[in-house]
Amino acid sequence: NAGVTQTPKFQVLKTGQSMTLQCAQDMNHEYMSWYRQDPGMGLRLIHYSVGAGITDQGEVPNGYNVSRSTTEDFPLRLLSAAPSQTSVYFCASSTRQGTEAFFGQGTRLTVV
Amino acid sequence: SQQGEEDPQALSIQEGENATMNCSYKTSINNLQWYRQNSGRGLVHLILIRSNEREKHSGRLRVTLDTSKKSSSLLITASRAADTASYFCATDSNYQLIWGAGTKLIIKP
Repeated sequence: NAGVTQTPKFQVLKTGQSMTLQCAQDMNHEYMSWYRQDPGMGLRLIHYSVGAGITDQGEVPNGYNVSRSTTEDFPLRLLSAAPSQTSVYFCASSTRQGTEAFFGQGTRLTVV
Repeated sequence: SQQGEEDPQALSIQEGENATMNCSYKTSINNLQWYRQNSGRGLVHLILIRSNEREKHSGRLRVTLDTSKKSSSLLITASRAADTASYFCATDSNYQLIWGAGTKLIIKP
């Protein structure tokens, strides 16, 4: 099993550009989530999904959109990149909310 | 908002020694989990302890939970160089995981 796969691993964007971070899992997990990790801080929840067609906002949703058309995929879209969105982004999945989470390897995003 | 706070922020010990890190949280929880993150990599689940459990073991890991004090500890016995990593606690409150800022553990050879 591949687990949770994130692409790309690294990305540099110019302010104002848009892009999509991809996340796919092959464990048939219903719950998927996106976090950002900044130096000296824990993970902060951006958006999450409890199943295909259902998404909701986390703690820091502004500037990001998500969709969940299939159980496997949960892409994160940056609408208009800002330097404040420079961070490491992690996608995670679990059988349901609050249970053991499986993480992707992360995307290191720099906005200049 | 951060629920869990790990203590210490950083810990450096000799290989073979035991490492203890603590996590405190603010609200009632369903469970508490510990994760490890090697530099630049994704997080890996270590252990989950439910709110009605007081202690749990997994290999060289021992986790305790004191719900009256809203705190947990992670003990790694007989540390190895490969244990060098950051360790995070995450609390399941209202079925969302809320994370602390982590403890950076360095094992010196």
